[in-house]
Amino acid sequence: EAGVVQSPRYKIIEKKQPVAFWCNPISGHNTLYWYLQNLGQGPELLIRYENEEAVDDSQLPKDRFSAERLKGVDSTLKIQPAELGDSAVYLCASSLDLGYEQFFGPGTRLTVL
Amino acid sequence: GENVEQHPSTLSVQEGDSAVIKCTYSDSASNYFPWYKQELGKGPQLIIDIRSNVGEKKDQRIAVTLNKTAKHFSLHITETQPEDSAVYFCAASIGNNDMRFGAGTRLTVKP
Repeated sequence: EAGVVQSPRYKIIEKKQPVAFWCNPISGHNTLYWYLQNLGQGPELLIRYENEEAVDDSQLPKDRFSAERLKGVDSTLKIQPAELGDSAVYLCASSLDLGYEQFFGPGTRLTVL
Repeated sequence: GENVEQHPSTLSVQEGDSAVIKCTYSDSASNYFPWYKQELGKGPQLIIDIRSNVGEKKDQRIAVTLNKTAKHFSLHITETQPEDSAVYFCAASIGNNDMRFGAGTRLTVKP
């Protein structure tokens, strides 16, 4: 069974540029999570989806971050405009449903210059 | 909200020795405590978890203990091997929701 797929794996951009990350969860998983992982830290939840509905986005900086999960499958996380402090690894995870084990993708490492 | 602290931040052991990582949490309502292993360039992978109605759980060389009164839980790895080298994260949540992670422990097992 394929795991959580994320792309790109690495992204380098200039500050103030837009960037988007894509996530394909494990087939059949209804819950999808986006996490931010700063260097030397644990993951921090940005947003959680139940199917296509964002049910917890309290930690998402809404002035520059946006996310969508069309048709309750793939998801995209966007930053516009990017700032130097956004350099981090962005992890996507999915679970069968709320409360079940979360499976993480490999992450996208973003570097903002 | 929940706050999870993890110690030590780095741990170096000789192959065959045991390794212990400790975490504390702040929210007494937390009832689910997973441990993740993260290798370089990969996402965290669940290695063992424990729920608040259990005091100890073991899976081969890995064990986790939970003290609800003191609000701390620990990961024990026995007979360590070089492939155990990675960053380990503890986490706490209520029913696997709104999971809060510790800062991680970098374990190095020297052959």
